[in-house]
Parts: sequence; structure tokens; C-alpha cells
Amino acid sequence: EPEVTQTPSHQVTQMGQEVILRCVPISNHLYFYWYRQILGQKVEFLVSFYNNEISEKSEIFDDQFSVERPDGSNFTLKIRSTKLEDSAMYFCASRHRTSPLHFGNGTRLTVT
Amino acid sequence: QKEVEQDPGPLSVPEGAIVSLNCTYSNSAFQYFMWYRQYSRKGPELLMYTYSSGNKEDGRFTAQVDKSSKYISLFIRDSQPSDSATYLCAARNFGNEKLTFGTGTRLTIIP
Repeated sequence: EPEVTQTPSHQVTQMGQEVILRCVPISNHLYFYWYRQILGQKVEFLVSFYNNEISEKSEIFDDQFSVERPDGSNFTLKIRSTKLEDSAMYFCASRHRTSPLHFGNGTRLTVT
Repeated sequence: QKEVEQDPGPLSVPEGAIVSLNCTYSNSAFQYFMWYRQYSRKGPELLMYTYSSGNKEDGRFTAQVDKSSKYISLFIRDSQPSDSATYLCAARNFGNEKLTFGTGTRLTIIP
């Protein structure tokens, strides 16, 4: 069964550094998402992306965050200047036109 | 008021028992309801997907949505130790991209 793949599985970075989290969505999917889950808390919506532009974003997704689909297969989340509170699991998800979301296994981001 | 509320548990039941997991929600515009299973350090895995009110069955799993009372349920029959995981309910509006999750219920099936 096709799946969403995310790399790396674990990223450690120092506060103030830039990180890029990478995702390969399921190949025929059209809608792409990033969610995050701080340890012990709910899975939270960050951003949705369709037709090469952001379609919706949450209040968490401030100017420090950006998304890109650089080559038609990858989907990336960039955090420009990481803060301690950015430490979380980041999940990429995708869906086809009417299907529900399929999630990847996440990237655990640790900011020290 | 939280949009989707879920008892975090933990919930422990013996193998073979019927498990009942529940969520309530406050946003009457929600029309799509999902149950995801999440194993430790893994992503949410879709179990059930329903639109509006009604029941949906898939193997040992049954999802129920009652929009009049804003209540979502997942039943697991003949529970197995491999069902031990965190179960997340989620909902979204028609035409809205954002999926709103409950906190998740941690379930342990005791052999």
C-alpha cells in the first residue's frame, strides 16, 4: 500500500538554526499538510497546500514557517529560526480529492 | 470550549472484550469524522472515515456518529493485544482543510 514517507526520522538542532523537514506524499495525492504533536498534547494542524499554494494555515504557522513543493514529488516544511518550543513530532499528510488524510510516521524535532 | 473532547484514559480491558471509545464535539459544522490509531512514535493511521450521521462497519471495528448529540464512537469487537495503541478521533467541516483532533485515548488490551 502506498505511504507517505518522511525524512529524517529524528532531527536535533540548536536554537536559532534553520531546519528543513522533508516529505514524499502519496504519488497521486493533490492536497498536502503539515501537523505537529508536542509531547503529550494533541495533534495540531499547521498548514494545508494545494495547487502550489497555501490553502489554509493555523495561528501557529507564523513567519518562521514556510512550505514548498520544490520538484513535484517532495513537500518540505522549513523553520527559519528554531525555538525550544518548536520541539515536537512533525507529521506530513496527503490526500486525494475526496479521500481522508494519510499520515507519515513523522520527524521528531528536538531543539536544544 | 475544546472543539473535540476525548477521555485520555488510560483504558485497560482483557483480550476478547468489546472496547468502546468516545468523543464529543462542539462545532455543529463538522461533517466528516475519523478515527485514527497511533502506535508509539508512529504517525496516525486511518481506521474509519464517516460522513455525517450513521454507522460504518469494517471488520472488528464499528464507527458511529450521532450529530444530534454531537457524539462519536468507535467499537472494537474481539479486542486483541495488537489493538493496544492510542486512538484519536478527528473531525472537519465541509470545504475546510483543517482536521481537529481529540487528545487521544490510550488503550491497552491485556492478554
